Amino acid sequence: GAGVSQSPSNKVTEKGKDVELRCDPISGHTALYWYRQSLGQGLEFLIYFQGNSAPDKSGLPSDRFSAERTGGSVSTLTIQRTQQEDSAVYLCASSLAHGTSDSPLHFGNGTRLTVT
Amino acid sequence: QKEVEQDPGPLSVPEGAIVSLNCTYSNSAFQYFMWYRQYSRKGPELLMYTYSSGNKEDGRFTAQVDKSSKYISLFIRDSQPSDSATYLCAMMGTGRRALTFGSGTRLQVQP
Repeated sequence: GAGVSQSPSNKVTEKGKDVELRCDPISGHTALYWYRQSLGQGLEFLIYFQGNSAPDKSGLPSDRFSAERTGGSVSTLTIQRTQQEDSAVYLCASSLAHGTSDSPLHFGNGTRLTVT
Repeated sequence: QKEVEQDPGPLSVPEGAIVSLNCTYSNSAFQYFMWYRQYSRKGPELLMYTYSSGNKEDGRFTAQVDKSSKYISLFIRDSQPSDSATYLCAMMGTGRRALTFGSGTRLQVQP
């Protein structure tokens, strides 16, 4: 069975360019999360989608970051005017509901973003 | 101060050793506690899940939660080279539906 799929797996971009990162969650999972993992750091929460509810955007670090989830499935994280400090691994996760033992988070392998 | 503190390691042990990994936290609202394992260039995968205080055992892994001390532990018995990975603790309260992660401890089990 397919797990969470993220694309691209690696992305190198120039400072100031916009990038789009894609996440295909596991079919039927209603909850979708974006996290950021910088070198030597833990996972930093960015945004959470649950069904048709308004997303929890409380973790987005600036207004250059935005995300959408179309049709309750695929999600795109967009970073505008990228900066070098945006370099990190961006991880997507999905779950049946919210993350508990009955519906644990399943992570993709991430998109490694490098801003030069 | 971070909400969740975790020693980054690396922690190097010989094969067969008992490993102890720990996290401390400051938010008393956390009720759900998890341990994730992350291999290099892979996403984290759930290892253990505990609700509130107490112990939980699954094979060679034991998770402990002490809410009074705001301290959680993961023990690995008979450690194997395949256990070499980064171990991340994660927590969640009843209000927010997103996990708060520690920075991870890198474990190396030497054959």
